[in-house]
Amino acid sequence: SQQGEEDPQALSIQEGENATMNCSYKTSINNLQWYRQNSGRGLVHLILIRSNEREKHSGRLRVTLDTSKKSSSLLITASRAADTASYFCATASPSGTYKYIFGTGTRLKVLA
Amino acid sequence: SQTIHQWPATLVQPVGSPLSLECTVEGTSNPNLYWYRQAAGRGLQLLFYSVGIGQISSEVPQNLSASRPQDRQFILSSKKLLLSDSGFYLCAWSSGQGLRGYTFGSGTRLTVV
Repeated sequence: SQQGEEDPQALSIQEGENATMNCSYKTSINNLQWYRQNSGRGLVHLILIRSNEREKHSGRLRVTLDTSKKSSSLLITASRAADTASYFCATASPSGTYKYIFGTGTRLKVLA
Repeated sequence: SQTIHQWPATLVQPVGSPLSLECTVEGTSNPNLYWYRQAAGRGLQLLFYSVGIGQISSEVPQNLSASRPQDRQFILSSKKLLLSDSGFYLCAWSSGQGLRGYTFGSGTRLTVV
């Protein structure tokens, strides 16, 4: 079963605007990761946030984590057409079973 | 640097035919290896993972099997393909508990006809 569920399923914005995607999960986690997938390609790791962290930044990316609500958000600031892709969250359980469960993804389209 | 190779990129196979997809990793030792399947416009479903040679964990009972004959080689197989096996298959590797994230291959688009 899917551990993570992204929201919205699809998002269309104008270049220069910010894009916010949310991820909700069901069980306790060790960490949460965000990935990007261009159409027909493999996934690329973007950022990891540990369960004891609340916010993390990487370039134009900002990730927040609220373990009490079992949710995370990914903010892309000043979006570009090249940011058009699907974005997935992935969670690992605290038991350290080496496996990550991916959400259903948000399809982001940035219009030039 | 570490690289992951997955082939072929696309494959069209008739129902009932066998399948063998191969994934190899370079530049690291004892990687954790994974096979995922992605249906069109959907999320990723974990099929198999391996933390060592000959150690395979199956996540979903299905028509597929996996093997790890060498440390950096992971193979996805089927004896007889079904139409429902169509999809985008992704191989990935990680070190330790994946705290640096997964590195994915470029994927294989399988169409069973």
